[in-house]
Amino acid sequence: GQQLNQSPQSMFIQEGEDVSMNCTSSSIFNTWLWYKQDPGEGPVLLIALYKAGELTSNGRLTAQFGITRKDSFLNISASIPSDVGIYFCAGTIDYKLSFGAGTTVTVRA
Amino acid sequence: EAGVTQFPSHSVIEKGQTVTLRCDPISGHDNLYWYRRVMGKEIKFLLHFVKESKQDESGMPNNRFLAERTGGTYSTLKVQPAELEDSGVYFCASSPTSRNEQFFGPGTRLTVL
Repeated sequence: GQQLNQSPQSMFIQEGEDVSMNCTSSSIFNTWLWYKQDPGEGPVLLIALYKAGELTSNGRLTAQFGITRKDSFLNISASIPSDVGIYFCAGTIDYKLSFGAGTTVTVRA
Repeated sequence: EAGVTQFPSHSVIEKGQTVTLRCDPISGHDNLYWYRRVMGKEIKFLLHFVKESKQDESGMPNNRFLAERTGGTYSTLKVQPAELEDSGVYFCASSPTSRNEQFFGPGTRLTVL
């Protein structure tokens, strides 16, 4: 699979703060996906991006498909305690997902 | 609509033993995938079924791993004999034909002692 670099690896944030994380790849993808994994659960799809430059929102989440097709970012606005978890980016050119190593988010109340 | 289910949720076995993991995809999803996350690293692709056919097993680590999907419904992943480095979380995912949005199961945490 392709190598994805996801950063930051972890973050502690204050409730109400905005959060940003990103992924970069040495290869291009035609789809970028962002997943969240809660403890004991599998990754749950948050946002899917299909076109370079696409900016998509899902509630407090906003993600963008980089114009070079080699990067994507995810923003979470006004974080709340249930935003705790591991966020994974994933890219694909067909069906085989390549994942980043994950960003662990911990919210301080 | 029921999601992807996996059984067991946890399995602890000794090196050299055999373990079989099961995945039930979302009803109607022809595409079924197995992934694995070991030692806190990234989730890696193992293989892909379309109905009962293996489309891509390029991610399978070695011939100790055997995946089947007889009848094109549920799938099993057998590890025989298990080694210490096989420990990790095994995820199954499914998707409708020709879509990229894969829905993941809760995973099976395998520990090989």
